Amino acid sequence: DIVMTQSPDSLAVSLGERATINCKSSQSVLYNSNNKNSLAWYQQKPGQPPKLLIYWASTRESGVPDRFSGSGSGTDFTLTISSLQAEDVAVYYCQQYYRSPTWTFGQGTKVEIK
Amino acid sequence: EVQLVESGGGLVRPGGSLRLSCAASGFTFSSYWMSWVRQPPGKGLEWVANINEDGSGEAYVGSVKGRFTISRDNVEKSLFLQMNSLRVEDTAVYYCARTTTMTTPFDYWGQGTLVTVSS
Repeated sequence: DIVMTQSPDSLAVSLGERATINCKSSQSVLYNSNNKNSLAWYQQKPGQPPKLLIYWASTRESGVPDRFSGSGSGTDFTLTISSLQAEDVAVYYCQQYYRSPTWTFGQGTKVEIK
Repeated sequence: EVQLVESGGGLVRPGGSLRLSCAASGFTFSSYWMSWVRQPPGKGLEWVANINEDGSGEAYVGSVKGRFTISRDNVEKSLFLQMNSLRVEDTAVYYCARTTTMTTPFDYWGQGTLVTVSS
């Protein structure tokens, strides 16, 4: 299985400041057929299901604010919240969908307000 | 509007069985892969099983192989998870989730149903 490792496990950021979450996969998730990375980011708020934010490592899902951005390739990826808002307090997960049909998630990163 | 509504969770003894259901609406159910993803209380997400569009192909995480069976009814627009020989470590909120293909992410999730395995 592909192991996904996120860092840090938690972070506290002041309102309006940048938050950066890293995700590392145990092997490349670059999908050769379309030259895209099979990496997604989800946001989960307390008591709610996860919500898809980013897919193909950097494509924002419809309706997701542009303060959320994804980057990276191969095995190293980053989710950036450019200006943290109160409603962004949540746990964020990365997920690989390269090794289908078995998919794996990172352990999650909790984002709080400092 | 896409909706996924899970049901069937509850309290069960170790070694017991439970069948989860997920009712889909707002999209062409038979055109999508479907999955079950679980989340133990206070912990992270774990993909459990998936099934392709017509139900001819299934896959499972290793820890549930031989105990859980995923199935679907495209006429009734429903997804199922039959869980047998349940263990304490199967305690979790179980979500059903949709993917367009086997190489795309989960774009819609249900609200989840809680399964508690305890004596």
